[in-house]
Amino acid sequence: NAGVTQTPKFQVLKTGQSMTLQCAQDMNHEYMSWYRQDPGMGLRLIHYSVGAGITDQGEVPNGYNVSRSTTEDFPLRLLSAAPSQTSVYFCASSYSAREIYGYTFGSGTRLTVV
Amino acid sequence: KNQVEQSPQSLIILEGKNCTLQCNYTVSPFSNLRWYKQDTGRGPVSLTIMTFSENTKSNGRYTATLDADTKQSSLHITASQLSDSASYICVVSANSGLIFGTGTLLAVQP
Repeated sequence: NAGVTQTPKFQVLKTGQSMTLQCAQDMNHEYMSWYRQDPGMGLRLIHYSVGAGITDQGEVPNGYNVSRSTTEDFPLRLLSAAPSQTSVYFCASSYSAREIYGYTFGSGTRLTVV
Repeated sequence: KNQVEQSPQSLIILEGKNCTLQCNYTVSPFSNLRWYKQDTGRGPVSLTIMTFSENTKSNGRYTATLDADTKQSSLHITASQLSDSASYICVVSANSGLIFGTGTLLAVQP
């Protein structure tokens, strides 16, 4: 099994550009989520989904959109990139939102907005 | 405010030595606590998980302890190896979701 696959691994954007970070899992996990990791801070939840067709906001959702059309995929969209969105982004999935089952994380996307 | 604080921020030890990482939390109500290992350029990987009723949990050379009364947890690494060099993140599960600590960066030197 591939687990959680994120693409791209690295990306540089200009301010105002848009892009989509891809996340796919092959474990039939219902729960998927996006986090950002910034220096000196713990991972912060951006958006999450408890199943296909269902999404909700996390702690820091502004500037990001998500959709969940299939169980496998959970893309994160930046509509108009800002330098404050420079960060490392992680996608995570689990059998359910209850962390007791453990989260599987992707290897991350390092995004720089100039 | 729910918070998870870890200490030290960074640590350097020699290969073969033991070390202990600390995690203090103010999350309430508390559901469970998990330690993750994050290698450079990789996503976090779960090491152990403990519920409020568990005091200790081992995974090979990694042993986690939990004191729910004082809201403290520790991760003890025995006979460290170069491959233990990583960031270790304490994560507490609350009703509002997961609260992540900022991690302890461990460097194991030969």
